[in-house]
Amino acid sequence: KAGVTQTPRYLIKTRGQQVTLSCSPISGHRSVSWYQQTPGQGLQFLFEYFSETQRNKGNFPGRFSGRQFSNSRSEMNVSTLELGDSALYLCASSPGPTFNEQFFGPGTRLTVL
Amino acid sequence: GESVGLHLPTLSVQEGDNSIINCAYSNSASDYFIWYKQESGKGPQFIIDIRSNMDKRQGQRVTVLLNKTVKHLSLQIAATQPGDSAVYFCAENPNNAGNMLTFGGGTRLMVKP
Repeated sequence: KAGVTQTPRYLIKTRGQQVTLSCSPISGHRSVSWYQQTPGQGLQFLFEYFSETQRNKGNFPGRFSGRQFSNSRSEMNVSTLELGDSALYLCASSPGPTFNEQFFGPGTRLTVL
Repeated sequence: GESVGLHLPTLSVQEGDNSIINCAYSNSASDYFIWYKQESGKGPQFIIDIRSNMDKRQGQRVTVLLNKTVKHLSLQIAATQPGDSAVYFCAENPNNAGNMLTFGGGTRLMVKP
């Protein structure tokens, strides 16, 4: 069974631009969670989607948004990029609505110049 | 590429020795605790988990201990190998929080051959 895939793996943007990251969960998994990892803040929860609905949201500004499609694939978008948005963005896949297990993708490394 | 913090606590052990990595968690209502291993340039990899109604769980070469009284979690790795060198994170899933995980700051394990 294929693991969690994320595209692109690396991305360079400039301040003020917007970016869209994509995540395909493990086949059969219906929940996708997104995390931001930085040296200063560590791993922080962004949001979770289950059955195309956002169920939980972390403490991030409204510039961070996401969505989930009917095939469980998910995208996250960051608008008006700031230097501090440079981070590794991780997507995690879970089977259902209540916690049982969670598997991470390799991440997308975003650099904002 | 780097994937973790610059100032992580570091545990240095000799190959073949046992390692103990500790974590203090914050939410007494958390129901599920997980240890992840993250190697450079990769996403976190599941190691072992434990539910709040247990105080010990063993896997292959790994044991997780949970002390709810002092909100403490530990990961024991037996016969540590060079391939165990990585950053280790504990994570907790608060009750009724879907698949959201709250992560600890991480500990870097270095295994000397």
